[in-house]
Amino acid sequence: AQSVTQLDSQVPVFEEAPVELRCNYSSSVSVYLFWYVQYPNQGLQLLLKYLSGSTLVKGINGFEAEFNKSQTSFHLRKPSVHISDTAEYFCAVSDPNTGGFKTIFGAGTRLFVKA
Amino acid sequence: DSGVTQTPKHLITATGQRVTLRCSPRSGDLSVYWYQQSLDQGLQFLIHYYNGEERAKGNILERFSAQQFPDLHSELNLSSLELGDSALYFCASSDRGSGGDTIYFGEGSWLTVV
Repeated sequence: AQSVTQLDSQVPVFEEAPVELRCNYSSSVSVYLFWYVQYPNQGLQLLLKYLSGSTLVKGINGFEAEFNKSQTSFHLRKPSVHISDTAEYFCAVSDPNTGGFKTIFGAGTRLFVKA
Repeated sequence: DSGVTQTPKHLITATGQRVTLRCSPRSGDLSVYWYQQSLDQGLQFLIHYYNGEERAKGNILERFSAQQFPDLHSELNLSSLELGDSALYFCASSDRGSGGDTIYFGEGSWLTVV
């Protein structure tokens, strides 16, 4: 079964600094990978996803992630964060080969941007 | 606004009771998912329906059941409630139910069991 590990439960960072949120997944022949963001008192929304093709994926709000198959990682990055990026970020994985569809989410990383 | 509507937004009930959470997916989406989010367990997949049929089950307790109706709305039934069932329950939808779909989440139903 697939699993996802988000290596940091909390990441504090100053405004305008770069940030990297780390995600590793259990290996499989092929995977689909996602990053979702959850703002306070809201549901999750998609930031970006990797299905195939270029390993560097660009998402909304200036975020990007790089799929690294050899390291089974899908780290999320942003070169300069804003206060409004304060939220919880979830890495997720799904198996393209399953008949049913079951996306597995990581435990989440709380990004706290300080002024 | 994701287009996924959940009711009620907040619910307080006593142990042993039964509640029903309702979800209307985005217009045109055939797949509905239910997730439970709690502080100690994180975001847990419960169940997935596609066009009225159950497609995948996750960590759903036997006291919980769900269904998707012909108009594609869904209900999650939670019975014999325990204190540990207190959590935020999300409904989500996607168009085809394939692994590459973007999942659109509702704002959740907060359940407090006292």
